[in-house]
Amino acid sequence: AQSVTQLGSHVSVSEGALVLLRCNYSSSVPPYLFWYVQYPNQGLQLLLKYTSAATLVKGINGFEAEFKKSETSFHLTKPSAHMSDAAEYFCAVSLNTGFQKLVFGTGTRLLVSP
Amino acid sequence: DTAVSQTPKYLVTQMGNDKSIKCEQNLGHDTMYWYKQDSKKFLKIMFSYNNKELIINETVPNRFSPKSPDKAHLNLHINSLELGDSAVYFCASSQTPSTAQGELFFGEGSRLTVL
Repeated sequence: AQSVTQLGSHVSVSEGALVLLRCNYSSSVPPYLFWYVQYPNQGLQLLLKYTSAATLVKGINGFEAEFKKSETSFHLTKPSAHMSDAAEYFCAVSLNTGFQKLVFGTGTRLLVSP
Repeated sequence: DTAVSQTPKYLVTQMGNDKSIKCEQNLGHDTMYWYKQDSKKFLKIMFSYNNKELIINETVPNRFSPKSPDKAHLNLHINSLELGDSAVYFCASSQTPSTAQGELFFGEGSRLTVL
């Protein structure tokens, strides 16, 4: 069975500071990994995905994530936070074969202060 | 044009009632999903349909019955509502059911409150 663990239900940063949201996965086979963002009262939107190509993945809005097999991690980073980045971020894992069935983490709320 | 639209956005009802949530996607995708997000924001897949056929059916009470009249629509009917059914239900779609395709497009959610 696959799972993801997101460390920290809340992360607070100042505007302009580095954003680091942590995600560790567990999978018996090579996984596909995703980060989704949920703005208040909206559905989830894909930020980026890792599907076994480059280990450093760039997404929308200046976010990127690095797949590290040795650490079973897929942490999300952004060099400089904007107020508009305040949202809930979800890490998800999927098998690399078969039907798409994302398993989500419990989410991390990013708070950005001026 | 909203890509994945759900109605209603909010639904407040009494225990024991039956209710439906409707979902439509205009992306031309073959695959649609229902996810449930509980009060702790935990998201879990419930069902998936590909071209009107059920392909994923997680351990969900049989009070929940999805129906897909065509590949652009996926509805969720819930019988005999219970307090624990209170959640936000998200509809999503993807181009294919294959995990390699990698992106789900979500609707804005339908918040169900059972009193």
